[in-house]
Amino acid sequence: GAGVSQSPSNKVTEKGKDVELRCDPISGHTALYWYRQSLGQGLEFLIYFQGNSAPDKSGLPSDRFSAERTGGSVSTLTIQRTQQEDSAVYLCASSFRVGGTYQETQYFGPGTRLLVL
Amino acid sequence: GENVEQHPSTLSVQEGDSAVIKCTYSDSASNYFPWYKQELGKGPQLIIDIRSNVGEKKDQRIAVTLNKTAKHFSLHITETQPEDSAVYFCAASTPSGNTPLVFGKGTRLSVIA
Repeated sequence: GAGVSQSPSNKVTEKGKDVELRCDPISGHTALYWYRQSLGQGLEFLIYFQGNSAPDKSGLPSDRFSAERTGGSVSTLTIQRTQQEDSAVYLCASSFRVGGTYQETQYFGPGTRLLVL
Repeated sequence: GENVEQHPSTLSVQEGDSAVIKCTYSDSASNYFPWYKQELGKGPQLIIDIRSNVGEKKDQRIAVTLNKTAKHFSLHITETQPEDSAVYFCAASTPSGNTPLVFGKGTRLSVIA
C-alpha cells in the first residue's frame, strides 16, 4: 500500500519567510513524528502526535516552529521567519501506536529538503 | 536523557566481506534497538530491530547483537553487496513512553565492487 508521503520534496526560501511542510501518514496510523536531519548529523526529534494531540513538544528548537495535525491524518510543520540554520531535511514518520511507548516500528517518508538562502 | 554513540562514521568494505557497525547507549532502561538504512534521497527504512530480552537476532545476511551489561549493540552485514551501500542509523528507546527514539549520527557504508 501507499507509504508516508511528504510535500514539497524540495523547498528553497529566503531568510525571514514562513514555510509549511506537509506529511501524509500511512492510512490508519495513529502516531506521527517529525524529525530534522542536518548534514552529517543523525535524526533530531522535533514533535510527536497521537491522534490530533501533541503530548510531546520537547524537541521543537524554538517558538518559530509549530505543527498541527487534523482529522488524525495529515500534519503540517510550520517554520516562521526562517533562518539559514533551519536548512535541513525534514522527515516525517508514522506508526500504529498503542499504549504509551515509542517502540512501534516507525515508517519514514522521503523528506522535504529545505534550503534557506 | 538517552545518548547514542555510533561508530565508525564511514566504512568501506570489499564486496563479499563483512561489515560491522557498533553503537553504545547510556540509559540502562533502554530496551528497544532498531536499525535503519537510508539510501540517497530516501527516508530511513527499518531493516532489523532487537528488544532487550534477546541477545541476537538474524535476518538473512543481517544480524544484530545486544550486550545489555556493556550497553552496546552492533549490526553485522555478511557477504556485502553494492546495494548495501547506504547510511545506517542505530537508535534506542526506553519503555517509559516519554522518550522518542534517539538516533546515532549514522555510518556511511560503501561496498566496493
